[in-house]
Amino acid sequence: DIVMTQTPSSQAVSAGEKVTMSCKSSQSLLYNENKKNYLAWYQQKPGQSPKLLIYWASTRESGVPDRFIGSGSGTDFTLTISSVQAEDLAVYYCQQYYNFPRTFGGGTKLELK
Amino acid sequence: EVQLVESGGGLVQPGRSMKLSCAASGFTFSNYGMAWVRQAPTKGLEWVATISYDGSSTYYRDSVKGRFTISRDNAKSTLYLQMNSLRSEDTATYYCTRVRGARPHYFDYWGQGVMVTVSS
Repeated sequence: DIVMTQTPSSQAVSAGEKVTMSCKSSQSLLYNENKKNYLAWYQQKPGQSPKLLIYWASTRESGVPDRFIGSGSGTDFTLTISSVQAEDLAVYYCQQYYNFPRTFGGGTKLELK
Repeated sequence: EVQLVESGGGLVQPGRSMKLSCAASGFTFSNYGMAWVRQAPTKGLEWVATISYDGSSTYYRDSVKGRFTISRDNAKSTLYLQMNSLRSEDTATYYCTRVRGARPHYFDYWGQGVMVTVSS
């Protein structure tokens, strides 16, 4: 199974701050035939279902604000929020879809400083 | 608007069975793979099973293989998860998700979730 490791597990932030969080996979998620990274990011706010933010490591889902930026390739990926808003306080999960079983990282929880 | 509405959860004793349903609307159900993802209380997300758009292919995590069965009825736009021989570690909120991509890939829409508690 591909192990997804997210760091930090939690992060205290202030509104307007730039935030970065890391996701590392135990094997490469880059498929050589199409040069795509099989990685997605999700946001889960308290008491809500997860919501898709980013797929193919860097493609923003329709309707997702452009302050959310996905980057990285191979085994190292980053989700950046360029200027955190109060409504961004949530847990963020990365997920690989390179193979089965699909696996998620443990999550990064954004909290108010 | 895409809607996924789960039902069928509740309290069940260890070793017993339960069947979850997910009613889909707002999209052509038969064009999409579907999946179940669960979340134990205060824990992270865990993929459970995926079924292809036509039901011809199914995939399971090892811990549920042989106990859970994912299925679909495209005429009714409904996804199912039959869960047998339930264990305490199956206690979780179960989310019905739509899967985007031919293979299929990532989960683009999620239901509100249904709680399953396995306890005597």
